Amino acid sequence: DTEVTQTPKHLVMGMTNKKSLKCEQHMGHRAMYWYKQKAKKPPELMFVYSYEKLSINESVPSRFSPECPNSSLLNLHLHALQPEDSALYLCASSQETGSEAFFGQGTRLTVV
Amino acid sequence: GESVGLHLPTLSVQEGDNSIINCAYSNSASDYFIWYKQESGKGPQFIIDIRSNMDKRQGQRVTVLLNKTVKHLSLQIAATQPGDSAVYFCAPPGWGKLQFGAGTQVVVTP
Repeated sequence: DTEVTQTPKHLVMGMTNKKSLKCEQHMGHRAMYWYKQKAKKPPELMFVYSYEKLSINESVPSRFSPECPNSSLLNLHLHALQPEDSALYLCASSQETGSEAFFGQGTRLTVV
Repeated sequence: GESVGLHLPTLSVQEGDNSIINCAYSNSASDYFIWYKQESGKGPQFIIDIRSNMDKRQGQRVTVLLNKTVKHLSLQIAATQPGDSAVYFCAPPGWGKLQFGAGTQVVVTP
């Protein structure tokens, strides 16, 4: 199994809502990542987890809150988002940080 | 930090021709590079990687060349096919994180 599964595929939320994005991998990878991608732009790194601990936070606003409940799961909790947060959110995993990463298909988020 | 840039934002290629996508990097300490392909509506997909102790690596229809002297990478796609239409990124996964350059849109024309 070389898949990274993200749910939901699409999400529309209001600025006062609280929602969560989920990511799952069963490759035994110990590094997991969240990226944000706007249209016609490269993915921008948000968070890196290594061995279930947050190792990198790229100065992401606190309205985005990551969580790694176990080595296979990664969540991104969303609260009080702004319309400019609308983007494709990508999850990835790799054997270790700095090795080849496998990406999920992303969650297309629209904030209204 | 790492600066990764691509020379051409869009590359139009006729089907059957070879494609060459270029990538420059700034950190001479980068010792590992990955090329990703991203099709519309999908996540990036690994194509090929290369370590700094190599100058060239070949895969199926793809070749990556690394010139450490001028800090330049290129991805060559042989006999470009319609399925090669995508955005291509080079990424050095340094310092425990994978950061992408601007990307090159490859458009394959019949």
